Amino acid sequence: GAGVSQTPSNKVTEKGKYVELRCDPISGHTALYWYRQSLGQGPEFLIYFQGTGAADDSGLPNDRFFAVRPEGSVSTLKIQRTERGDSAVYLCASSQRGGGETQYFGPGTRLLVL
Amino acid sequence: GNSVTQMEGPVTLSEEAFLTINCTYTATGYPSLFWYVQYPGEGLQLLLKATKADDKGSNKGFEATYRKETTSFHLEKGSVQVSDSAVYFCALYTGANSKLTFGKGITLSVRP
Repeated sequence: GAGVSQTPSNKVTEKGKYVELRCDPISGHTALYWYRQSLGQGPEFLIYFQGTGAADDSGLPNDRFFAVRPEGSVSTLKIQRTERGDSAVYLCASSQRGGGETQYFGPGTRLLVL
Repeated sequence: GNSVTQMEGPVTLSEEAFLTINCTYTATGYPSLFWYVQYPGEGLQLLLKATKADDKGSNKGFEATYRKETTSFHLEKGSVQVSDSAVYFCALYTGANSKLTFGKGITLSVRP
């Protein structure tokens, strides 16, 4: 079946602009995660959704970052007033129920802020 | 807090060589341990996992044993192939929170 998909695959924007990154999880997976991977580092947790609600947003670096999952499926990560330091690969993962089950990752969106 | 430490890379081996990639962790509670792999141009994939002490995870000829006494989860393969060239990430999950905590990753290159 289809895996986790993310769009766009690449995004180039200018400092100060607003961006939206989209994640389509595996159908039927209730748990959805966003991670950020900087060059030469492992992925770092941003936020976890269980259904429509953000169960844990402790990894969001500041209030410029926000994510939604209004219907419990597709999720959008929103970044306001982008900064050069936001440049990274943003990864989305889903799992069937959460709670330590295997997380399946998408290919990521590579964001470059000029 | 939780953390994962991986050996420094990159690692370059000849085909059929023995592979060991070290991973140690610090965690509150009793973590589940994972190895993820990222092949060139592809997303992260689960390679293997172990959920309790002394468990051995295995897949595609790779093995790792959960060692609670040394807080380690080293990845091994007896004979690497060119197709094993990838970035390997060690990770843990404790259930006290919802996230995977990853190490920095290590790049493996296998030459023919």
